[in-house]
Amino acid sequence: QVQLVESGGGVVQPGRSLRLSCAGSGFTFSSYGIHWVRQAPGKGLEWMAVISYDGSKKYYADSVKGRFTISRDNSKNTLYLQMNSLRAEDTAVYYCAKESRGIVVYFDQWGQGTLVTVSS
Amino acid sequence: SYVLTQPPSVSVAPGQTARITCGGNNIGGKSVHWYQQKPGQAPVLLVYDDRDRPSGIPERFSGSNSGNTATLSISRVEAGDEADYSCQVWDSSSDHAVFGGGTQLTVF
Repeated sequence: QVQLVESGGGVVQPGRSLRLSCAGSGFTFSSYGIHWVRQAPGKGLEWMAVISYDGSKKYYADSVKGRFTISRDNSKNTLYLQMNSLRAEDTAVYYCAKESRGIVVYFDQWGQGTLVTVSS
Repeated sequence: SYVLTQPPSVSVAPGQTARITCGGNNIGGKSVHWYQQKPGQAPVLLVYDDRDRPSGIPERFSGSNSGNTATLSISRVEAGDEADYSCQVWDSSSDHAVFGGGTQLTVF
């Protein structure tokens, strides 16, 4: 079955960096755009970034543009999120989500999430 | 940037119909998708393209979209439907996904 598994979360000090990973299985990973979505404690879902199926296109939310970088390695069926210059407000559960096939973009499969806590 | 507005909470008695709205400027011209999220769990796709359901989602869950409001309706509400519900669209002008703030459904 389709599965996405995030890893790499943890506690990090403000200003430091962290890299998240998302391993996909059960589908042709290289055929789908994949997104990062986060959820701060007690808050709603916030879209972060997307990378196209082949890595040629990347888009970011304004809140993370210039600090976060999305990438993928289709040979490893893995998505990454490099997070630099972390701030307290980046504290959240980070989900990777598989994009639907077609023109309309929605998320038909989500990982279980990984918690990032930015604190001194 | 495009904004989606949801009520923070909706309460309904068991067996009744819950309606959760998602407001946005001319949202009727966009495709709206809905997610259910229970505490400590990842979101699950509930309705896509305004009114379609993925396999495994009960017919009790239905969607509509017109004008400036999209609506998720849950008929014959059960205690197990207590969850947060979020709407989502794709803003093609900015190539961003946009989520509503989420609505907590309480079954009393």
